Amino acid sequence: AQTVTQSQPEMSVQEAETVTLSCTYDTSESDYYLFWYKQPPSRQMILVIRQEAYKQQNATENRFSVNFQKAAKSFSLKISDSQLGDAAMYFCAYKPAGTASKLTFGTGTRLQVTL
Amino acid sequence: NAGVTQTPKFRVLKTGQSMTLLCAQDMNHEYMYWYRQDPGMGLRLIHYSVGEGTTAKGEVPDGYNVSRLKKQNFLLGLESAAPSQTSVYFCASSSGAYNSPLHFGNGTRLTVT
Repeated sequence: AQTVTQSQPEMSVQEAETVTLSCTYDTSESDYYLFWYKQPPSRQMILVIRQEAYKQQNATENRFSVNFQKAAKSFSLKISDSQLGDAAMYFCAYKPAGTASKLTFGTGTRLQVTL
Repeated sequence: NAGVTQTPKFRVLKTGQSMTLLCAQDMNHEYMYWYRQDPGMGLRLIHYSVGEGTTAKGEVPDGYNVSRLKKQNFLLGLESAAPSQTSVYFCASSSGAYNSPLHFGNGTRLTVT
């Protein structure tokens, strides 16, 4: 069974600074997808960024980027120029390729943004 | 554009009572899912469906039943609620394409006393 590990229950960053959230996963699959979701206090689950395992280039979405290390099974999220609105729970998720594949989530990292 | 809608948003039940959570999506998605979220445990899959009339068990299915009679709706039932089922429940849907993300509803907070 696949597992997703987020070893940082809580992180803190100052406004305008950069922070990196860690995620590792365990799988024997060669083709899969990785996602980062954001959950603000409103409870809504918002897709931040996704990465296809077959792509070597790291995904980027505005201030959000990932460092995908396939051999190390690592998928970290970097948030640049942090804003107060970035404060939220962040979940890493893994999905193997396949028509009936399911998303497996990590336990989350709570990000606090301070002035 | 409604996306995924869950009802109700909040509910309090007494032990042994039953209830049904309703999920509706207007994106013509084939796949639908029910997750529960508990502190320190992330989201865990309860049941899912890969199309109208189909259902399958996820990671934590015990104590729950589901039905997918119509493509756009996915119902989660608790026949005899227990305090261990106190949680936030999320419905999600996806197109089923390999890299398709899940689209989530806003969750239902259920408390069983």
